[in-house]
Amino acid sequence: GNSVTQMEGPVTLSEEAFLTINCTYTATGYPSLFWYVQYPGEGLQLLLKATKADDKGSNKGFEATYRKETTSFHLEKGSVQVSDSAVYFCALRRESSASKIIFGSGTRLSIRP
Amino acid sequence: KAGVTQTPRYLIKTRGQQVTLSCSPISGHRSVSWYQQTPGQGLQFLFEYFSETQRNKGNFPGRFSGRQFSNSRSEMNVSTLELGDSALYLCASSSQGVLETQYFGPGTRLLVL
Repeated sequence: GNSVTQMEGPVTLSEEAFLTINCTYTATGYPSLFWYVQYPGEGLQLLLKATKADDKGSNKGFEATYRKETTSFHLEKGSVQVSDSAVYFCALRRESSASKIIFGSGTRLSIRP
Repeated sequence: KAGVTQTPRYLIKTRGQQVTLSCSPISGHRSVSWYQQTPGQGLQFLFEYFSETQRNKGNFPGRFSGRQFSNSRSEMNVSTLELGDSALYLCASSSQGVLETQYFGPGTRLLVL
């Protein structure tokens, strides 16, 4: 079946540190891949997406590259800020079931000043 | 454009009662999807409506139902509430088409006592 696996949290970093949150997926065909972010007490916000192999999604200093050979979509940011503290969800959507998003379990990120 | 709105934001019910949650999509969006978020199960897809028709359905019991109106507003209903139904219920809207991005509302937090 289709699934998304992301690294266990919580992840705690100091401000200006480099961030990587690992995400791997299992799916047939060519799914679209997403990173969503959920700030405390809020709903989900789309952070970035990639719809085909080797695409790089980027937004607010975050980047992720769709790697079909390793079935991965790792999230990276060069210098994190306290305001980046949130829960990050990796997700996929198959073309054959376009309205249904399959989410990973989420990774809680805390940034220390 | 205004974002996705959900009402009410918070709700307390007792076991055995029923509840109706409402979602107003972004203007012009015809697809509305519902998700349940719990600490134990994470984010799970409930169902999706497009032009008043249920187009996709997750693995939830029949106590969970929904509908969509001609103005694309959607409601979901949960009958005979159980303690395990306590969750954040998220609604997402998108325009149409296979690769459209979904935009999430802030959610309705339901507590069942």
